[in-house]
Amino acid sequence: EDQVTQSPEALRLQEGESSSLNCSYTVSGLRGLFWYRQDPGKGPEFLFTLYSAGEEKEKERLKATLTKKESFLHITAPKPEDSATYLCAARSNYGGSQGNLIFGKGTKLSVKP
Amino acid sequence: NAGVTQTPKFQVLKTGQSMTLQCAQDMNHNSMYWYRQDPGMGLRLIYYSASEGTTDKGEVPNGYNVSRLNKREFSLRLESAAPSQTSVYFCASRRTGVGYGYTFGSGTRLTVV
Repeated sequence: EDQVTQSPEALRLQEGESSSLNCSYTVSGLRGLFWYRQDPGKGPEFLFTLYSAGEEKEKERLKATLTKKESFLHITAPKPEDSATYLCAARSNYGGSQGNLIFGKGTKLSVKP
Repeated sequence: NAGVTQTPKFQVLKTGQSMTLQCAQDMNHNSMYWYRQDPGMGLRLIYYSASEGTTDKGEVPNGYNVSRLNKREFSLRLESAAPSQTSVYFCASRRTGVGYGYTFGSGTRLTVV
């Protein structure tokens, strides 16, 4: 069964304290690994897509990386405005799903000033 | 660009009542989706529409029906609401092609009493 697991469930950081969020996946024929940011009371906002092991993408203080079993979202010198829930999702190669995403439960990040 | 617009934003229903959640996108996307998000459960796919005129069941379709009215609009109907359907509902759309992420609406918070 296709599955996406994120850890930790919650992470509290001090401003400037770098860390990483983990996303482990077991998907038959990965067609993309997606990261989203979700603020309270809002819909998820697309951040990155990764396709192959070794691929990296960056946006401001965020960098996403991909291995054959995991993806990491590295946050460098975070600021309070980076506080949000970060969602990971995988797209399977198996048809019938029409490219539907399988979401993890998210990591809630809090950055204190 | 408005992106994906959902109405209403909040709704309280009594058990057994019916209602329709509306979703419209102005990005000319082919695929549209309905998810529900519950604490500790993550985002779960209810129904999706790969293109105008087609709809398919997702992970948790029981108790729901959908209509892809045209390319822009995809509605979700609860025929006889149950307390278990209390949730936040998100509509999303996606441009066809590898690598494109979903664009989500801001959600409908539904409470069934």
